[in-house]
Amino acid sequence: QKEVEQNSGPLSVPEGAIASLNCTYSDRGSQSFFWYRQYSGKSPELIMFIYSNGDKEDGRFTAQLNKASQYVSLLIRDSQPSDSATYLCAVNGDQAGTALIFGKGTTLSVSS
Amino acid sequence: DVKVTQSSRYLVKRTGEKVFLECVQDMDHENMFWYRQDPGLGLRLIYFSYDVKMKEKGDIPEGYSVSREKKERFSLILESASTNQTSMYLCASSLFLGYNSPLHFGNGTRLTVT
Repeated sequence: QKEVEQNSGPLSVPEGAIASLNCTYSDRGSQSFFWYRQYSGKSPELIMFIYSNGDKEDGRFTAQLNKASQYVSLLIRDSQPSDSATYLCAVNGDQAGTALIFGKGTTLSVSS
Repeated sequence: DVKVTQSSRYLVKRTGEKVFLECVQDMDHENMFWYRQDPGLGLRLIYFSYDVKMKEKGDIPEGYSVSREKKERFSLILESASTNQTSMYLCASSLFLGYNSPLHFGNGTRLTVT
């Protein structure tokens, strides 16, 4: 059974701090990795995706991928109260034609 | 911008009823998905479709069926609703199946079965 693991949290950080969200996956053949944000009662919205080892930056968000360690993370710089949400990590399978597998999500709380 | 529209935001049905959840996307995406989301269990894939009239079972297909007669529309059917099917149902679409192709979600349907 292919698995995607996230710490459920809650992760609490003060406003302006860096929030670090982590995700590990079991399928060594996985190729693409996605981060979604989900506000309470809303549907998930895509933040960014990454498929190469290293870092990928988009505004205040940085995704980091280490395929050897089967680890992907999301850093949020200058965290704002509006970043308070659940963050979902999703991983594609190792074969074409497979659907994304989601972690259960990490709840982030940013206090002002 | 991709728009995925689910026909109902909230739905209340009785045990044993046949329930239809409808989803429409406007970006000519090949692939469409139905997930359910429950506290502590995360997002679980029910069914997905990679082409008209084609479907694949996900992780939890029992008690559900799907229909895809047109490319833009993907329906989830609960043949005989039960209380354990009370959940948030999320429809999504994607351009490709797999690599580097993100899912775009609808607003969700919160179904309560009494």
